[in-house]
Amino acid sequence: GAVVSQHPSRVICKSGTSVKIECRSLDFQATTMFWYRQFPKQSLMLMATSNEGSKATYEQGVEKDKFLINHASLTLSTLTVTSAHPEDSSFYICSARDRGTSGETQYFGPGTRLLVL
Amino acid sequence: QQQVKQSPQSLIVQKGGISIINCAYENTAFDYFPWYQQFPGKGPALLIAIRPDVSEKKEGRFTISFNKSAKQFSLHIMDSQPGDSATYFCAASTRTSYGKLTFGQGTILTVHP
Repeated sequence: GAVVSQHPSRVICKSGTSVKIECRSLDFQATTMFWYRQFPKQSLMLMATSNEGSKATYEQGVEKDKFLINHASLTLSTLTVTSAHPEDSSFYICSARDRGTSGETQYFGPGTRLLVL
Repeated sequence: QQQVKQSPQSLIVQKGGISIINCAYENTAFDYFPWYQQFPGKGPALLIAIRPDVSEKKEGRFTISFNKSAKQFSLHIMDSQPGDSATYFCAASTRTSYGKLTFGQGTILTVHP
């Protein structure tokens, strides 16, 4: 089955530093990747949609200068949280659409737990 | 318009029982309805999905029932097992949204042995 990986799985950083999270589709090419954040006991909130080779589309209320997204290839997207603050602490999850299928199916990564001290 | 409303918020079922989770939507442009299962600290995993041209889809112990006129769909878990204890999310998307999913609020399912 389709596998999406994320790295790192967990990161702790000091306030003011930047953190990069990688999302890779391991056995398929992804036309589109999505980035979500999830707070404890809450649903997934879409942050941005990332298409290979083009600028990401951000959801309303998400600061594009704070959450930098790069989709350099059909198998890799990165999310950089710039100048992270404690309120950015959350569970970040990416997903990828399989280019080879009808394109409807999204496969999710295992998530990255970010803790900003 | 874009919301998907999910109920109940939590559900407790005895082993062997049937778990039923319901979702309702307003946007008639939605044409793809997946269900995801999420364990604590993990990413969601696709369970089963349906399109509006069928009223029911079954995969193993999991069944989606879809009522287009009522704009509702539900997940039925037959013979529920303790290992099914997880959070379940319904979602919906449209063809024109590049697969962007709108998620329900989630249901925490606990199956007692």
